[in-house]
Amino acid sequence: SQQGEEDPQALSIQEGENATMNCSYKTSINNLQWYRQNSGRGLVHLILIRSNEREKHSGRLRVTLDTSKKSSSLLITASRAADTASYFCATDSWGKFQFGAGTQVVVTP
Amino acid sequence: GAVVSQHPSWVICKSGTSVKIECRSLDFQATTMFWYRQFPKQSLMLMATSNEGSKATYEQGVEKDKFLINHASLTLSTLTVTSAHPEDSSFYICSARQGGSYNEQFFGPGTRLTVL
Repeated sequence: SQQGEEDPQALSIQEGENATMNCSYKTSINNLQWYRQNSGRGLVHLILIRSNEREKHSGRLRVTLDTSKKSSSLLITASRAADTASYFCATDSWGKFQFGAGTQVVVTP
Repeated sequence: GAVVSQHPSWVICKSGTSVKIECRSLDFQATTMFWYRQFPKQSLMLMATSNEGSKATYEQGVEKDKFLINHASLTLSTLTVTSAHPEDSSFYICSARQGGSYNEQFFGPGTRLTVL
């Protein structure tokens, strides 16, 4: 079964806008990671946030983690057409890795 | 950074044949490797976890006799899809981890299997 549930399932925005997607999970975790996947390609690791961290930044990416609500969010600021991809959260619970259903993001020029 | 490769990147085979997919950690020793399957427009589903030198642990619903996993060395794991059928067509992705469960997993680029 899926550990992570993501919403929205799909997101369509214009270049320059921000994109926000959320991930909820059910069990305790060591860390939560976000990945990007272009159509038919492998995963690209974006960011890892540990269970004792609340927020993390990497370039135009901002990730938050609320362990009390068992949820995380990924914000992409000033989106570009090249950000078009599927984004997955993945929870790591003592070596057990489970992926969310993913959010498909389309950024139009 | 840590690099994981997969070979082949894509394969087309006839129904009933067996296909072997390799996963290699290129610059680190992977004590644990994971195999995932991804159907079109869906998420990755963990199939099995393998530790070097021991039998793989399969997730519920994954047939161990159909998906043979061998992790014979610290840098190589193989997944063999035996007697493949069209419903086995999928994107197979491996990942590798060095050391304990707190360490990061590194993902391979995936192998697209199409069974005719």
